[in-house]
Amino acid sequence: QVQLQESGPGLVKPSETLSLTCTVSGDSMSSYYWSWIRQPAGKVLEWIGRIYTSGSTTYSPTLKSRITMSVDTSKNQFSLRLSSVTAADTAVYYCARAPAVPGTTWFDPWGQGTLVTVSS
Amino acid sequence: QSALTQPRSVSGSPGQSITISCTGTSSDVGGYNYVSWYQQHPGKAPKLIIYDVGKRPSGVPDRFSGSKSGNTASLTISGLQAEDEANYYCCSYTGSYSLWVFGGGTKLTVL
Repeated sequence: QVQLQESGPGLVKPSETLSLTCTVSGDSMSSYYWSWIRQPAGKVLEWIGRIYTSGSTTYSPTLKSRITMSVDTSKNQFSLRLSSVTAADTAVYYCARAPAVPGTTWFDPWGQGTLVTVSS
Repeated sequence: QSALTQPRSVSGSPGQSITISCTGTSSDVGGYNYVSWYQQHPGKAPKLIIYDVGKRPSGVPDRFSGSKSGNTASLTISGLQAEDEANYYCCSYTGSYSLWVFGGGTKLTVL
């Protein structure tokens, strides 16, 4: 079955750029949206944005100015870059798959999540 | 966009039924039949258990069911089992702003 795995540095300095990659295994990336979702400790899950295999993106308005997502279907990977990070960006970051067909919406599966701490 | 409102915790004994509510607004839960529910055990990835309000993915037991009335969605777990003890999150499409909004999560304790 499809599995997702996040990877990237666990510690990022304030004002620098957070970079994460999600590797998809077990299936093609075609015909799905690929999302990033984060959860600060003790707080609500927050949808960050999504990318289609064509490279088309949709970002959360609250983070839009700082986000860049990209996809590499040859490697079955998609990536997140979040610039100018602060302590408020400390969170567990998840990647997840979502359908690209109208009339339904869900996130499945999710990656295990990776904790990113912003600290000097 | 505010988070959806869920009770912080619920509990039940094995074999009993429990219901977890998820309250939003007419801009999210009430406006679309796109509510999903996720089960998360400690240290594990969230798992989809209900989507599009009341549909179950294959492999999810029919003890799990979902419904919606107005701006409130509900997850019901019948015949509680020890392995159901976990955190449960609701999620709704919003059609605007951040597109998806999540609930704060509900910790289910099986007594």
